[in-house]
Amino acid sequence: KAGVTQTPRYLIKTRGQQVTLSCSPISGHRSVSWYQQTPGQGLQFLFEYFSETQRNKGNFPGRFSGRQFSNSRSEMNVSTLELGDSALYLCASRGGSNTEAFFGQGTRLTVV
Amino acid sequence: GQQLNQSPQSMFIQEGEDVSMNCTSSSIFNTWLWYKQDPGEGPVLLIALYKAGELTSNGRLTAQFGITRKDSFLNISASIPSDVGIYFCAGQRNTGTASKLTFGTGTRLQVTL
Repeated sequence: KAGVTQTPRYLIKTRGQQVTLSCSPISGHRSVSWYQQTPGQGLQFLFEYFSETQRNKGNFPGRFSGRQFSNSRSEMNVSTLELGDSALYLCASRGGSNTEAFFGQGTRLTVV
Repeated sequence: GQQLNQSPQSMFIQEGEDVSMNCTSSSIFNTWLWYKQDPGEGPVLLIALYKAGELTSNGRLTAQFGITRKDSFLNISASIPSDVGIYFCAGQRNTGTASKLTFGTGTRLQVTL
């Protein structure tokens, strides 16, 4: 059974640009969550999607948005990139309520 | 953002030694999870705990869900070099179909021969 797949693995963008990251969950999983990991703040929750609807949101500015498609694949978008957005962005999928989350390898975003 | 208190922050141990780390929170969680993360990779799930007081093992790893639901610990017995990495606890709170992980600050483990 394939794990959580995130693309691309690495990305370099310039300040002010926007970026879209993609996540394919484990087959059969309908919940996808996104996390940002930085050395200073650790792992922070961005948002969660279930059945194409955002179910939960962390404390991030509106520049961070996401969506989920009918096949449960999810995308995360960051607009007007800032240097501080440089981070490892992780996607996790779950099979249902009260089940454990499995993570992808992450996308390393560098903003220059 | 919120992070759980995880200790120790880092530890150097010798191969064969046992390791203990713990995580505390001011809030109650439904589930406690322990992950290991290697550099540049995503966290890999080690153990999941679902009930207060639950003690669960996975090979050389043992973890417990605290009775108060506000803490958890992880033990690694007879450490080996491949145990090197960063260990994170995570508390999960479920409300219907929504769920959110709150992570600990991490324990960096280094094992010497």
